[in-house]
Amino acid sequence: EIVMTQSPATLSVSPGERATLSCRASQNIGSNLAWYQQKPGQAPRLLIFGASTRATPIPARFSGSGSGTEFTLTISSLQSEDFAVYYCQQYNNWPPYTFGQGTKLEI
Amino acid sequence: EVQLVESGGGLVKPGGSLRLSCSASGFSFSHYNMNWVRQAPGKGLEWVASISSSRDYIYYADSLRGRFTISRDDSEESLHLQMTSLRVEDTAVYYCASGGGYGVYWGRGALVTVSS
Repeated sequence: EIVMTQSPATLSVSPGERATLSCRASQNIGSNLAWYQQKPGQAPRLLIFGASTRATPIPARFSGSGSGTEFTLTISSLQSEDFAVYYCQQYNNWPPYTFGQGTKLEI
Repeated sequence: EVQLVESGGGLVKPGGSLRLSCSASGFSFSHYNMNWVRQAPGKGLEWVASISSSRDYIYYADSLRGRFTISRDDSEESLHLQMTSLRVEDTAVYYCASGGGYGVYWGRGALVTVSS
């Protein structure tokens, strides 16, 4: 089973600042990585798939990069609605699909 | 508009059974692989099961040990999860999600509480 590790667990930033979230896979997963955003009481929302392709209609301030075992989600200029928990998920070697433990983005 | 609506959640005693359903609309359900993902209170996301569009593959998380069964009814555009021998640790919000590999569309979830 591929283990996904996200860092940091919590990231404190201010609106307008840039946020960088990391995700590491225990094995090479190529570009088969997705990122999700989840707000309290809501379902996850797909942000990025294929490590760097934005889902529709995700704003351009969200970008994904990386391949192999190291991945990054960058939010270029934080808006108030971006404060949430972010998860990465690999879909290269499955079953099982595996998620990271999440990064909480807070003010 | 794409919609996935889960139903069938509730309170059940340990050892009991429950059947979750997910009603889909706004997309070509029969063409999509479908998944169940759960989230225990205050915890992260955990993949539960997947079924392909043609039913040629069905997979489960090892931790379920044969207690859960995923199925689909394309004529009704619905996805189901039959859960048996439920344990306290199965308490979670259960989401249905469409897509092969990653969840493109997600429902709002159904809460399953296993408690005596």
